[in-house]
Amino acid sequence: EDQVTQSPEALRLQEGESSSLNCSYTVSGLRGLFWYRQDPGKGPEFLFTLYSAGEEKEKERLKATLTKKESFLHITAPKPEDSATYLCAVYSNTGFQKLVFGTGTRLLVSP
Amino acid sequence: DTGVSQDPRHKITKRGQNVTFRCDPISEHNRLYWYRQTLGQGPEFLTYFQNEAQLEKSRLLSDRFSAERPKGSFSTLEIQRTEQGDSAMYLCASRTSGGSTDTQYFGPGTRLTVL
Repeated sequence: EDQVTQSPEALRLQEGESSSLNCSYTVSGLRGLFWYRQDPGKGPEFLFTLYSAGEEKEKERLKATLTKKESFLHITAPKPEDSATYLCAVYSNTGFQKLVFGTGTRLLVSP
Repeated sequence: DTGVSQDPRHKITKRGQNVTFRCDPISEHNRLYWYRQTLGQGPEFLTYFQNEAQLEKSRLLSDRFSAERPKGSFSTLEIQRTEQGDSAMYLCASRTSGGSTDTQYFGPGTRLTVL
């Protein structure tokens, strides 16, 4: 069964303090790994898709990377508005029509 | 706004009542998904439509749950005889078929509270 594990569960940063969120996965054939941002009471907002090991994507202060076992979401010089839950999800060969999500990392950035 | 829309945004009901939610996907997207999310958890897959055909259902989708997508446009998710354990956020997502992206785009969700 496909599994996605995210760590840490929660992370508190000071504004400007860079850090990384981890997403490790166990799937039978990765077809794609996705990062979403979710604000309280709202639906997930798409950030990045990664398809193969070594791939990197960037958007503003966020950078996502992928290896054969895990993905990292690096946050550089975060601002309070980056506070949200960050969700990681995968498509696999056995369940390619559905996303399997991790439980997310709750990020709080203090001014 | 051409994103995924869901209605209602919030629903409070009493145990045993039936409820129905609606999802309108992005207009050119022929694939539609329903997920359920409880507090502190990631979304869990419920069911998937390609056009009007329901092609996959999770074992989470008990007999009390039914989903339809008539004419391959909007979709409805009905829960019969609601139970307190049905309280959750119900999320709809859509994506296009083919092309260079597999990305699912989510709606704002419907928050269900069963008293």
